[in-house]
Amino acid sequence: EAGVAQSPRYKIIEKRQSVAFWCNPISGHATLYWYQQILGQGPKLLIQFQNNGVVDDSQLPKDRFSAERLKGVDSTLKIQPAKLEDSAVYLCASSLTRNRAATQYFGPGTRLLVL
Amino acid sequence: DQQVKQNSPSLSVQEGRISILNCDYTNSMFDYFLWYKKYPAEGPTFLISISSIKDKNEDGRFTVFLNKSAKHLSLHIVPSQPGDSAVYFCAVPDTGANNLFFGTGTRLTVIP
Repeated sequence: EAGVAQSPRYKIIEKRQSVAFWCNPISGHATLYWYQQILGQGPKLLIQFQNNGVVDDSQLPKDRFSAERLKGVDSTLKIQPAKLEDSAVYLCASSLTRNRAATQYFGPGTRLLVL
Repeated sequence: DQQVKQNSPSLSVQEGRISILNCDYTNSMFDYFLWYKKYPAEGPTFLISISSIKDKNEDGRFTVFLNKSAKHLSLHIVPSQPGDSAVYFCAVPDTGANNLFFGTGTRLTVIP
C-alpha cells in the first residue's frame, strides 16, 4: 500500500514570496490533515479535511495560509506572502476516518526555508 | 499553552538496556494516548497507543504505561536496539475531534 505522498520535499524562498505544497493521501482515506512542525517543537495542526470539507481550521493563519481539497483526494496548502517564521516542516497526514482511534499516517513532509 | 509535555529533549542508552521516555499531559479529560516515532527526513510513524481504561499496553519490545492520577505516561523499550534511535513524540487527540496535540519530542540515541 502506497503511503502519503508530498511534494516538493524541500523549498527555499524569500520572504513575501508565495509557495504551495501538495499532498496525496493514502487511497480511501477520508480525513486529511496538515501540520506545521517548527524546529525543536512537535507538529501542530493547521487544518483538517473530511472528504472535501473543512472540519477544523481554527489554527490556520488565514491572512496568509490557505488550503483546499477540491475533489476529496489530493490537497494543496499555500502560503502567500511567506514570512521568516513560516520556516518549518509541513506534514500531511491521512486517516481512514475521523474516529479518534483512527491512526494518522504521515507523509515525509516538505521542509520550507524562508530567507 | 502546551497540552502535552516531554521534559527530556534527549536520552542516550546502551544497546540492550531499557529506554524510558516520559510524557505529561494537562487535561484530565484526555482518554487516548499515542506514541509516534520519527526518523530524520521522514514523517512520524505510529508506534503504540493506550486507552485511559488501561494502565498498560504492550507490543513486543514496547510498553506504554499510563498513570491517570499523575497525568503521566511513559514508553519503555526493552531491550533497546540501535535502530530505535529516533525522535519519539507522545500525542493525544483533541477531545472533540481527531486533531493530535504533540509533545516536543525526545531524541533517543541507542549506543551500540
